[in-house]
Amino acid sequence: QQQVKQSPQSLIVQKGGISIINCAYENTAFDYFPWYQQFPGKGPALLIAIRPDVSEKKEGRFTISFNKSAKQFSLHIMDSQPGDSATYFCAADYSGNTPLVFGKGTRLSVIA
Amino acid sequence: ETGVTQSPTHLIKTRGQQVTLRCSSQSGHNTVSWYQQALGQGPQFIFQYYREEENGRGNFPPRFSGLQFPNYSSELNVNALELDDSALYLCASSINQGAGHEQFFGPGTRLTVL
Repeated sequence: QQQVKQSPQSLIVQKGGISIINCAYENTAFDYFPWYQQFPGKGPALLIAIRPDVSEKKEGRFTISFNKSAKQFSLHIMDSQPGDSATYFCAADYSGNTPLVFGKGTRLSVIA
Repeated sequence: ETGVTQSPTHLIKTRGQQVTLRCSSQSGHNTVSWYQQALGQGPQFIFQYYREEENGRGNFPPRFSGLQFPNYSSELNVNALELDDSALYLCASSINQGAGHEQFFGPGTRLTVL
């Protein structure tokens, strides 16, 4: 059972454009929604995270939008740069002794 | 501050063998989680250790086992290796168990089973 569904699987964006990656979750108990960035040969690194008490969180060029009623959240990368080319994972967990549940990932390529 | 380190970086084993992977948690972190990341997939939770005790386990068979030491470093042991065990094994440490605490991932160990 896949608890976090991520789309698209891959994404190609022009330099300077907006990259948008979407995730949907099933478990309404989830209360922490991080996004991880992973470069080849590296472990995932936390990019930005949100809790369901806010609908949007922005850090630099990265924004999470959260829709609790639709059980969806998305990552927007503004002014996308070639250095943003990586695989992005959404994840979720909830209070207590629970592990992160990851989406399957989106491979982003930003082309000049 | 030293980040999460893992060893070895790469490992090649044959089916039926046993393997031990090692992880040193970030300074001050008492919780270690292990994940398996198959090619093209997101990480899948194997188990978590908090203060040397197993504290949660994913859908992995008993031949996957682990340890956490008093300095909070950890080992992942896999017995009777199968071809499907080929994956990137990630260790993540955090300052406390439970949700909402940022997990810091190591670079992973790439295991290939032939």
